[in-house]
Amino acid sequence: EDQVTQSPEALRLQEGESSSLNCSYTVSGLRGLFWYRQDPGKGPEFLFTLYSAGEEKEKERLKATLTKKESFLHITAPKPEDSATYLCAVRDGGATNKLIFGTGTLLAVQP
Amino acid sequence: GAVVSQHPSRVICKSGTSVKIECRSLDFQATTMFWYRQFPKQSLMLMATSNEGSKATYEQGVEKDKFLINHASLTLSTLTVTSAHPEDSSFYICSAGTSGWETQYFGPGTRLLVL
Repeated sequence: EDQVTQSPEALRLQEGESSSLNCSYTVSGLRGLFWYRQDPGKGPEFLFTLYSAGEEKEKERLKATLTKKESFLHITAPKPEDSATYLCAVRDGGATNKLIFGTGTLLAVQP
Repeated sequence: GAVVSQHPSRVICKSGTSVKIECRSLDFQATTMFWYRQFPKQSLMLMATSNEGSKATYEQGVEKDKFLINHASLTLSTLTVTSAHPEDSSFYICSAGTSGWETQYFGPGTRLLVL
């Protein structure tokens, strides 16, 4: 069964304190791993798509990496505005194009 | 690009009434749209997948007669919660993708409160 597990559930950082969020996945034939950011009361905002092991993508202070079993979202020198829930999802290995989401990591960056 | 809108953003209704939520892709044609619900501090739960011009595919445990989905055009899908009850109160979010698409883009969500 396809499954996505994110850790930690919650993370509190000081401004400027770099860290990483983890997303472990089990899927029959990866057709994309996605990272989203979700602010309270809003829909998820697309960040990255990764397709193959070794792939990396960057956007401002965020960098996403992918291995055959997990993905990391590295946050370099975070700012308070980076506070949000970060969601990881994998595309279903079948023909439905469904996304299977993890439960997310709630990140709080304190000034 | 890839903007998805939802309307209304928030709705309060009485138990037993029906509520319609619209999801629109503003700058692209969406052959597939997805409807999710999200409870507080939980992740997104897929309710159904709708393809333009065909019947929606519902996830296990989702009542198709209660949650009516229509995807009449390439830019509009609607979710109607029929005979809403307090337990239907939730955050409903839609997403959209194109044919040959790589990414689902999400709407801002609709907060439903049933009294």
